[in-house]
Formats: sequence, C-alpha cells, structure tokens
Amino acid sequence: AQTVTQSQPEMSVQEAETVTLSCTYDTSESNYYLFWYKQPPSRQMILVIRQEAYKQQNATENRFSVNFQKAAKSFSLKISDSQLGDTAMYFCAFMVTYTGANSKLTFGKGITLSVRP
Amino acid sequence: EPEVTQTPSHQVTQMGQEVILRCVPISNHLYFYWYRQILGQKVEFLVSFYNNEISEKSEIFDDQFSVERPDGSNFTLKIRSTKLEDSAMYFCASRGLTYEQYFGPGTRLTVT
Repeated sequence: AQTVTQSQPEMSVQEAETVTLSCTYDTSESNYYLFWYKQPPSRQMILVIRQEAYKQQNATENRFSVNFQKAAKSFSLKISDSQLGDTAMYFCAFMVTYTGANSKLTFGKGITLSVRP
Repeated sequence: EPEVTQTPSHQVTQMGQEVILRCVPISNHLYFYWYRQILGQKVEFLVSFYNNEISEKSEIFDDQFSVERPDGSNFTLKIRSTKLEDSAMYFCASRGLTYEQYFGPGTRLTVT
C-alpha cells in the first residue's frame, strides 16, 4: 500500500516571497505519478503540477516547481513570488500507473498555506 | 475549457434517507472516480469506474453505496441509507488517457 506524508500542518509566507511545501511518500511500485493539488476556501480541488516518476527533470508550471528526489521518496512544491490567491490547502497525491491499475489517487493530509500581504 | 460539474452543490438530508449525488464528467474521459473529504481531513478514495463497471472500491464503499453511469454523460453516487458519519464533501473526478484527474466542485452532504 502507498502512503503519503505531509508533516507540516500549516505554513505562512509573505507576499512575493518563496515558500516550499514538503511531502514524502512510501511505495514499492516503480511506475507512478506524483501530484500537487490546491484547495482554496471554495473547496474546489485544482491540479497544480504533476511529476512522472520516470522523469529525472523536475516539473515546472509558471511560479510552481517541484523538487523530486526519487531515492529519498521526497516531492516538495516550491511556490515563487507568492500571491494572496495562493492562500489555500495544498495536498500531495500519489498514483500508481502501470497497465491495469485503476489509478486512484492517494492523498496526504494537506498543508494550510497562508500568504500575508 | 471543459470541466467536471456536480449537482447539487449542497444537500441536506435526514439520517436513513437515500441521496443521489450527480456528476457530469468531461465528455471524452473514460475513467471516473468518487472521493470524499470529511471536514478538516484528507481526501479519501471511494470508488473508481471504467467501462461501465467498478474497477476498485475502498473499505468505505460498503453495501450502502452504489455508482451508476445511466447514460453517456452522467455519473452518480447513491447512498441508500445515510448515516451521520456520511456528512462530508463528495468529489467526482474524471480522466482521459493521461493520468491527470480533474475534479468537480464537490457536493457538500449534511446528514442530520
């Protein structure tokens, strides 16, 4: 079974600063994806970024980037130039992707990020 | 941009009543999911559905739950006899041939 751990329950960052959210996971699978989802106060789940385990290059989406350390089973999210709209709960999620897998997402507990003006 | 929609946004029901939560996945998607999130807790997988049948279900998804894709567009979750502990946000998600799952806005279910 896969587990996803987000050990920091809350973080705060000043607007325009950079913040890093941590995530570790445990699996014996070799084919998987990792994701970060954002959940603002509206509670909508919004996909922020994904990382394929077979890729060594870290994924980047505009101000969002990841630091994927496969051997350490670590997958952190870096948000640059933080904006007030980044205030939300952020969930790290794991998905097995071999053929025949149902590809369900396993989520961590989430971290509440507050961006201060 | 295509999106997953869910209705209703909020459902209040009495314990023991049946509820049906509805979802319209993105039109060319093939894989469908239901998740739930009890307030303040993490998102939990309930069930996945592909090719008109359940492909996996969690321990939460007991005999009180069922899913259906009655036509080419809707995907429903039915809870036969609701309990207080079923109060949660229920999310529908869908994906196509890539692995990104796109979530609907959720239905907040309150059981009184």
